[in-house]
Amino acid sequence: SQQGEEDPQALSIQEGENATMNCSYKTSINNLQWYRQNSGRGLVHLILIRSNEREKHSGRLRVTLDTSKKSSSLLITASRAADTASYFCATDGGEGLIFGTGTRLQVFP
Amino acid sequence: GAVVSQHPSRVICKSGTSVKIECRSLDFQATTMFWYRQFPKKSLMLMATSNEGSKATYEQGVEKDKFLINHASLTLSTLTVTSAHPEDSSFYICSVGQLYEQYFGPGTRLTVT
Repeated sequence: SQQGEEDPQALSIQEGENATMNCSYKTSINNLQWYRQNSGRGLVHLILIRSNEREKHSGRLRVTLDTSKKSSSLLITASRAADTASYFCATDGGEGLIFGTGTRLQVFP
Repeated sequence: GAVVSQHPSRVICKSGTSVKIECRSLDFQATTMFWYRQFPKKSLMLMATSNEGSKATYEQGVEKDKFLINHASLTLSTLTVTSAHPEDSSFYICSVGQLYEQYFGPGTRLTVT
């Protein structure tokens, strides 16, 4: 089952622009994770943010978590064509990961 | 989107026994399925890519003789954990899709005692 709702479903931007994706969930969590998936390939883990954290950075990635609103956002700054992929959030409530529906990001050169 | 089921959702087995986990794509013909495992509070780890009608592709460090994958049809892939040990206890999840679409199963919690 996929409890996470991600928006937008699809996003198209130009290289150099920032891309923001949002994820909402329903149950309490231990942590929330973001993954990317290149066409036809397996998931690649990007970043994990714990329930007691509000913001986390990794390179050009910035993740925020608002447990009161049960939402998270992934910001990719200064996007590149190579960032073109699908991005998924997944929540870990202690019983295993539950994935969102994903955001398809396309970055045009 | 596609509906993906896994069976069983939970299984407890004794050390030394083998456990089979099924991943079914109910409305999507999947030539490729992915198998992942997740340790508690950790991120997902890709184990293998299951290809319909051919051998699975395993990630580095994953023992192919221990984690047997069979993808006999476009709707079913199975993961068999052979001679299970307590360290194999984990959450196993499969996904199906193509290009940029992925649909995830609900996962199987394996506990080896």
